[in-house]
Amino acid sequence: DGGITQSPKYLFRKEGQNVTLSCEQNLNHDAMYWYRQDPGQGLRLIYYSQIVNDFQKGDIAEGYSVSREKKESFPLTVTSAQKNPTAFYLCASSIGQGIGELFFGEGSRLTVL
Amino acid sequence: DQQVKQNSPSLSVQEGRISILNCDYTNSMFDYFLWYKKYPAEGPTFLISISSIKDKNEDGRFTVFLNKSAKHLSLHIVPSQPGDSAVYFCAASEPSGAGSYQLTFGKGTKLSVIP
Repeated sequence: DGGITQSPKYLFRKEGQNVTLSCEQNLNHDAMYWYRQDPGQGLRLIYYSQIVNDFQKGDIAEGYSVSREKKESFPLTVTSAQKNPTAFYLCASSIGQGIGELFFGEGSRLTVL
Repeated sequence: DQQVKQNSPSLSVQEGRISILNCDYTNSMFDYFLWYKKYPAEGPTFLISISSIKDKNEDGRFTVFLNKSAKHLSLHIVPSQPGDSAVYFCAASEPSGAGSYQLTFGKGTKLSVIP
């Protein structure tokens, strides 16, 4: 089945540790995205990538880093510089970074203790 | 500054009645609008969309209306079913240069359909 797989679904980490969230898609989509959702907030864009080896900052990129070495993969690292990392993280992809629907993964809930 | 606003954080509707979810936007460059549905601890799923050249799009029980002059869109669900209980996000798309587009989401409206 085609889709987007995020792992892990739940993650607990101590303050000050870097954490990497995995996102893999087999939809052959060019564009991939990372969003963050907080209670009572909409989805806020962290980073996006239109093609391999290229990515751009979204609205709230500070304290995060990404890589796009393969078309299928777009991992997100939450660094110790992110002041409030506890959140629900969503990865998405689309055929191109254009009009049309985004396909979302199931999400990863990160809790920093 | 919020460019896409869903002013009702929550809405309760009786099963079988109509649910109307509203969304307002401020950016006149938005030219495509989407609604997503999200269950707790899951990713959002696409529901329905509308281009700015249309004022209505219908898909089964779901209809989206767009009023460009008022910068307002609404999602109608008729009849509402308990399985429709979820958070609904409004999203808007604008060109962001070099043929690419940026999607902006509202904060969501939690719909509860009461049996």
